Amino acid sequence: QVHLQESGPGLVKPSQTLSLTCTVSGGSISSDSYYWSWIRQPAGKRLEWIGRIYPSGYTNYNPSLKSRVTISVDTSKNQFSLKLNSMTAADTAVYYCARGVLIINWFDPWGQGTQVTVSS
Amino acid sequence: QSVLTQPPSVSAAPGQKVTISCSGSYSNIGNNYVSWYQQLPGTAPKLLIYDNNKRPSETPDRFSASKSGTSATLGITGLQTGDEADYFCAAWDSSLSAVLFGGGTKLTVL
Repeated sequence: QVHLQESGPGLVKPSQTLSLTCTVSGGSISSDSYYWSWIRQPAGKRLEWIGRIYPSGYTNYNPSLKSRVTISVDTSKNQFSLKLNSMTAADTAVYYCARGVLIINWFDPWGQGTQVTVSS
Repeated sequence: QSVLTQPPSVSAAPGQKVTISCSGSYSNIGNNYVSWYQQLPGTAPKLLIYDNNKRPSETPDRFSASKSGTSATLGITGLQTGDEADYFCAAWDSSLSAVLFGGGTKLTVL
């Protein structure tokens, strides 16, 4: 059974860059049937899709975040990562990583999520 | 519109049935698959329905879903207190080239 686990700092200063890593266990990140996504949820608000990466390294980003986001993959470590620069208080949220299914675009499983707070 | 709209809350008594709507547009629900997620308090979302109306093996058959045009509906029968959660719909938006999530519906089982 595939399991995803996020890791990274829980506190980021304004204007700094957030770096999170998602470690995939129980399955290969290189499977052609799936892609790997980051999704976030500010407290009390809707989920927001940040972007995705295919095992090949091809990426798609949410247009609203595209200028600040980079998602990368390390197949040797079965990990993928998120970098979000120029952080502000509006980026405070729980950040989830999730496996997505090509074309059909549903997400399963999800990581447990990690709280990221932007504050000086 | 490139947004998925859900009612903020629904409620019903144990044993009753409830439906949750998700309204979108041609560019998302109208031309792409819809999925539904259940988020219990303090936990990550969990896939409930995929491909508009298919249930993973772990999803009880009390949960069902349908899609018609630019709207989708999640139905839950035989409500249990354990069903109290937030429910989100999601779909790819072909105009934005992004996944959209609904605002979420909080289910209260009275």
